[in-house]
Amino acid sequence: GDSVTQMEGPVTLSEEAFLTINCTYTATGYPSLFWYVQYPGEGLQLLLKATKADDKGSNKGFEATYRKETTSFHLEKGSVQVSDSAVYFCALIMNYGGSQGNLIFGKGTKLSVKP
Amino acid sequence: NAGVTQTPKFRILKIGQSMTLQCTQDMNHNYMYWYRQDPGMGLKLIYYSVGAGITDKGEVPNGYNVSRSTTEDFPLRLELAAPSQTSVYFCASSIWGGYTFGSGTRLTVV
Repeated sequence: GDSVTQMEGPVTLSEEAFLTINCTYTATGYPSLFWYVQYPGEGLQLLLKATKADDKGSNKGFEATYRKETTSFHLEKGSVQVSDSAVYFCALIMNYGGSQGNLIFGKGTKLSVKP
Repeated sequence: NAGVTQTPKFRILKIGQSMTLQCTQDMNHNYMYWYRQDPGMGLKLIYYSVGAGITDKGEVPNGYNVSRSTTEDFPLRLELAAPSQTSVYFCASSIWGGYTFGSGTRLTVV
């Protein structure tokens, strides 16, 4: 079945370091891809998304590019801040013509940024 | 905008007790979902609904029930609480892939 695999954490970085969180997917068709962020004690918030191959999603300095050839959607940020400390989830939705499938999540990667 | 509202935020249940987790959305979304989040396991889909009167099982439905009598409300029922149901529960609604999540209910079964 369709699935998402993301790098295991926790990831600990110093402020202003470069961040990469790897995400790969397995899908029978062409999904839409998402990154969600969960700050401590809160629900999930959409961080960015891409709906087709070669699309780049971006928000708050984070970027991810939909790579069909490598079935990947890696999350990157050039300079992390302490406020970026959170759990990051990669996810996909299959699109079935006029209807959508359900959101399928990876296990999440916890990021801790030290001052 | 309230978005997706979940109540209660915290609850402790004894084994065998029952409870209902409430979820309400004010965005007129047809799709609604219940997920549970266990440490290190991501989110797993319990039940979902594509509209009022229509519900379907997700990946982990055992021990839970849902109903969808209105577009706005999607309550999750636990009939006989078990320790394995200790988790954080999230309700969400969506329209064309844009999901909005509630802030969660932390449930402990002792």
